[in-house]
Amino acid sequence: SAVISQKPSRDICQRGTSLTIQCQVDSQVTMMFWYRQQPGQSLTLIATANQGSEATYESGFVIDKFPISRPNLTFSTLTVSNMSPEDSSIYLCSVLWTEKNIQYFGAGTRLSVL
Amino acid sequence: RKEVEQDPGPFNVPEGATVAFNCTYSNSASQSFFWYRQDCRKEPKLLMSVYSSGNEDGRFTAQLNRASQYISLLIRDSKLSDSATYLCVVRGNNYQLIWGAGTKLIIKP
Repeated sequence: SAVISQKPSRDICQRGTSLTIQCQVDSQVTMMFWYRQQPGQSLTLIATANQGSEATYESGFVIDKFPISRPNLTFSTLTVSNMSPEDSSIYLCSVLWTEKNIQYFGAGTRLSVL
Repeated sequence: RKEVEQDPGPFNVPEGATVAFNCTYSNSASQSFFWYRQDCRKEPKLLMSVYSSGNEDGRFTAQLNRASQYISLLIRDSKLSDSATYLCVVRGNNYQLIWGAGTKLIIKP
């Protein structure tokens, strides 16, 4: 299985600021994803992080608000920009282990925006 | 209609009982099916994949009915540690997962 390190694990931020979340995987993976999970809700895919090119965003999510980097096959970052209280959520990094068709998750970043 | 639908629960079940979760999906072209488990304030973790012939892993049995676009999970002899939210997950042919909202299970002593 893949080991995914995600940090920070939690943060409390002021509105208008930005937070960058890092995701490090212990092996090279082709597919990396960023999800959001709001309290009591299921997971919503924000974007697929593509190595060496722009991320593919889902409907309702835009690059200016959630810029994503994927410089190599083991690392990605998600930035939550110009935060508002509505951005308070858990953000999860995920990778797909294609050989076994299994998706693994980082422990998540619990973000509170005041 | 949601792409993946589950009864949100919560299901309050006495320890030792059998509990069944159901899930329906809307895309008939879906390729892969999974049950994930998410403990409170934790990330989702794969519980089991669901195969067309049905599959069993200890106390857990998963079934798939492609004709009815229906997936089930059965937990026998439930334990206190089974308390969690169970997420039904479906994948199409583009590697993206579609998540149900989850069913919360509470096992009571």
